[in-house]
Amino acid sequence: DARVTQTPRHKVTEMGQEVTMRCQPILGHNTVFWYRQTMMQGLELLAYFRNRAPLDDSGMPKDRFSAEMPDATLATLKIQPSEPRDSAVYFCASLPPWGTEAFFGQGTRLTVV
Amino acid sequence: AQTVTQSQPEMSVQEAETVTLSCTYDTSENNYYLFWYKQPPSRQMILVIRQEAYKQQNATENRFSVNFQKAAKSFSLKISDSQLGDTAMYFCAFMKQALGTYKYIFGTGTRLKVLA
Repeated sequence: DARVTQTPRHKVTEMGQEVTMRCQPILGHNTVFWYRQTMMQGLELLAYFRNRAPLDDSGMPKDRFSAEMPDATLATLKIQPSEPRDSAVYFCASLPPWGTEAFFGQGTRLTVV
Repeated sequence: AQTVTQSQPEMSVQEAETVTLSCTYDTSENNYYLFWYKQPPSRQMILVIRQEAYKQQNATENRFSVNFQKAAKSFSLKISDSQLGDTAMYFCAFMKQALGTYKYIFGTGTRLKVLA
């Protein structure tokens, strides 16, 4: 059955290390979102793409975060260098053309020590 | 910029009772969509209910219904006959879909616990 796939599911890394999270949207979905979930901020929108083009990344700390969509089946979110305050669950979601329901992956739980 | 506010961080309700979760939003747009999503402990996000802003009639899905007040920019979720499986985090969300913008904004969530 169609689903959004995120890898890895869990990641523990040391401060200063590079972290790359990957997302495979549902086939045919052309809008992809990256969110960060924390207790205090809820679900923050970091960036999103439509037809692989970045539409908005204003929610992302520019100095250390970057998001790309090298092809229609892969979106990446990279943090370099990582910091303890980046510890959170990162979600990817995709949206079909003309659709309104966002389909979420299972998230990547990132812990930076 | 659009914002979504959920002022109740946590709520609890007795099984079989009714509970209402609040959500307000801010936008200058006239056409948009509003949603409630449920996130159980599994972390999987599930769409509960959707409302189109141009529709005056409140959406309903079985035990879930909304009270959409467009002028007041309010969108509350009512859960009737609460069940233990309703225990989850609930997120209110807003989406505008026009002129190439598909921004999907979520609130901070309300953690609901259904008590046996």
